[in-house]
Amino acid sequence: DQQVKQNSPSLSVQEGRISILNCDYTNSMFDYFLWYKKYPAEGPTFLISISSIKDKNEDGRFTVFLNKSAKHLSLHIVPSQPGDSAVYFCAARVELRNAGKSTFGDGTTLTVKP
Amino acid sequence: NAGVTQTPKFQVLKTGQSMTLQCAQDMNHNSMYWYRQDPGMGLRLIYYSASEGTTDKGEVPNGYNVSRLNKREFSLRLESAAPSQTSVYFCASSETARRGTGELFFGEGSRLTVL
Repeated sequence: DQQVKQNSPSLSVQEGRISILNCDYTNSMFDYFLWYKKYPAEGPTFLISISSIKDKNEDGRFTVFLNKSAKHLSLHIVPSQPGDSAVYFCAARVELRNAGKSTFGDGTTLTVKP
Repeated sequence: NAGVTQTPKFQVLKTGQSMTLQCAQDMNHNSMYWYRQDPGMGLRLIYYSASEGTTDKGEVPNGYNVSRLNKREFSLRLESAAPSQTSVYFCASSETARRGTGELFFGEGSRLTVL
């Protein structure tokens, strides 16, 4: 049973428009939610996170929204740029033995067209 | 800044052979992790180490062993490689969970093919 789901394998948007990437989860014990960005042949890099006690976190062009009642979070990128084209992974973290054990979704490939 | 370094970057094995993937981090992080990523899928946790001297199983530990050699190094061993272990392996490290979000810092990955 997949605890973190990204139901859209791909998303294509025009440069300058908004990109919205979605993620659903099932485990209420997750304490942080994180988004990672991955380019081909590289490791994922951290983008933005949100605590389970918050409903919004903003960092420049990136905003993450958390809806706990729906067990849903989304990443908004405004405005989208061609360099944002990458695979985006949603991850949910639970603290276990003082380590942050993260569960990942399958990723959404974002393509931003010039 | 090296961050997280993995070796080797590429490896081809025959079924039944053994090998060890090495990982080292220079960020003084307490926690280290090994993930695998298969095509079209997310990262799945194989093993993790909350701190030096401790290791625990993740979601997909079968066929693997790990060693937390010291605070910097965390190795992953395949004792008898199988084609199902063909994947890209990522090592990661993080601060102790209680100190923040626990964001993961990843290495560049090791692409392993088992024939």
